[in-house]
Amino acid sequence: EADIYQTPRYLVIGTGKKITLECSQTMGHDKMYWYQQDPGMELHLIHYSYGVNSTEKGDLSSESTVSRIRTEHFPLTLESARPSHTSQYLCASSVGANTEAFFGQGTRLTVV
Amino acid sequence: AQSVSQHNHHVILSEAASLELGCNYSYGGTVNLFWYVQYPGQHLQLLLKYFSGDPLVKGIKGFEAEFIKSKFSFNLRKPSVQWSDTAEYFCAVNAGKAAGNKLTFGGGTRVLVKP
Repeated sequence: EADIYQTPRYLVIGTGKKITLECSQTMGHDKMYWYQQDPGMELHLIHYSYGVNSTEKGDLSSESTVSRIRTEHFPLTLESARPSHTSQYLCASSVGANTEAFFGQGTRLTVV
Repeated sequence: AQSVSQHNHHVILSEAASLELGCNYSYGGTVNLFWYVQYPGQHLQLLLKYFSGDPLVKGIKGFEAEFIKSKFSFNLRKPSVQWSDTAEYFCAVNAGKAAGNKLTFGGGTRVLVKP
């Protein structure tokens, strides 16, 4: 069982609010990822990190930002939420090179 | 850039039927390949993976996949499905350092197994 946790599981929030989606893993993995997944659609990589103080934009452009101050923590922030940000956000982590990723339960975000 | 294509978006079949889900990737170099499964309401879980060696890999729950390098394919199979195999299945590829060590996913295939 993978130890990667995302909070909250569900979030409904008004337009213009600032939100932070939390992701933590207790496996000591160096790599962490954020994916965005619309219902019935593919996963798109929006951010990734190879270690502390390392963050990169993914394949899909996103208005969100991330930080990696600690190995185990990789929060995602939206400064001003919009309805277009409504989606599911999945956090994942992996160790080393070319290994499988372990996923959290996801956060389903709805911006009204 | 690497990309992954899954040919079927939805598959409906009856219990005991055989399942094959297609996956093709576009990257000419060495790749690591994965199949993930997402059961309703649950997180993504690894079904199986291919790094090197025998191109026929066996995973959990009776699933297997065959890597055919010449066809850039990594199709998933199960000889006899059960109702509990109802889920969404994702193929993924990691082309290593040359591609930024990123895990790229296909669009997913929703499988519904009718009892």
